[in-house]
Amino acid sequence: TQLLEQSPQFLSIQEGENLTVYCNSSSVFSSLQWYRQEPGEGPVLLVTVVTGGEVKKLKRLTFQFGDARKDSSLHITAAQPGDTGLYLCAKGGYNQGGKLIFGQGTELSVKP
Amino acid sequence: GAVVSQHPSRVICKSGTSVKIECRSLDFQATTMFWYRQFPKQSLMLMATSNEGSKATYEQGVEKDKFLINHASLTLSTLTVTSAHPEDSSFYICSARVWDRGRSSYNSPLHFGNGTRLTVT
Repeated sequence: TQLLEQSPQFLSIQEGENLTVYCNSSSVFSSLQWYRQEPGEGPVLLVTVVTGGEVKKLKRLTFQFGDARKDSSLHITAAQPGDTGLYLCAKGGYNQGGKLIFGQGTELSVKP
Repeated sequence: GAVVSQHPSRVICKSGTSVKIECRSLDFQATTMFWYRQFPKQSLMLMATSNEGSKATYEQGVEKDKFLINHASLTLSTLTVTSAHPEDSSFYICSARVWDRGRSSYNSPLHFGNGTRLTVT
């Protein structure tokens, strides 16, 4: 399969809770990107990670790239209803001929 | 920032007709564009890689005669769904990467269009 393993697929939480989304592959990534998509729109890039062990923060979002560059996680602190959407990890780079292959996605719903 | 425009945003067609979807890079050149398909509540599945001036590269299981791709210029790729059937109803999204001559851009982000919702009746 061309998909990455992303979990969980669905997540429904209350405002203020924390959550973590995981993205795993059996092969090494040259780079990994996280996107957020709202219904009826294209995905919007959140972050790109390329170095094993890298941690990047984007306000309440923390992205981590595994040391072996085979996995990544997205942690959201104090989730808000505005965080609702489909979160997608994607691997790409030279080994993939420049194309992006997406994980199955995590549908996040944050209830007020 | 780099903008990708996709047109139309929505289209309804009758079974057996063909539909053309355009993907334009508005303020940058793109030698390569990618076409994805997305079903409700699911992820994006790569259909094909569109290469300017040459044939598209299709992913396994995608019918090249049904999904015709043309990339005639550095700013335009088109996807034509031929003889559409209800099972072709889906959300089609294109994306493009900024082309920078002389520099490997494989790790640079893709810029996505806003998608085309195709409904075949």
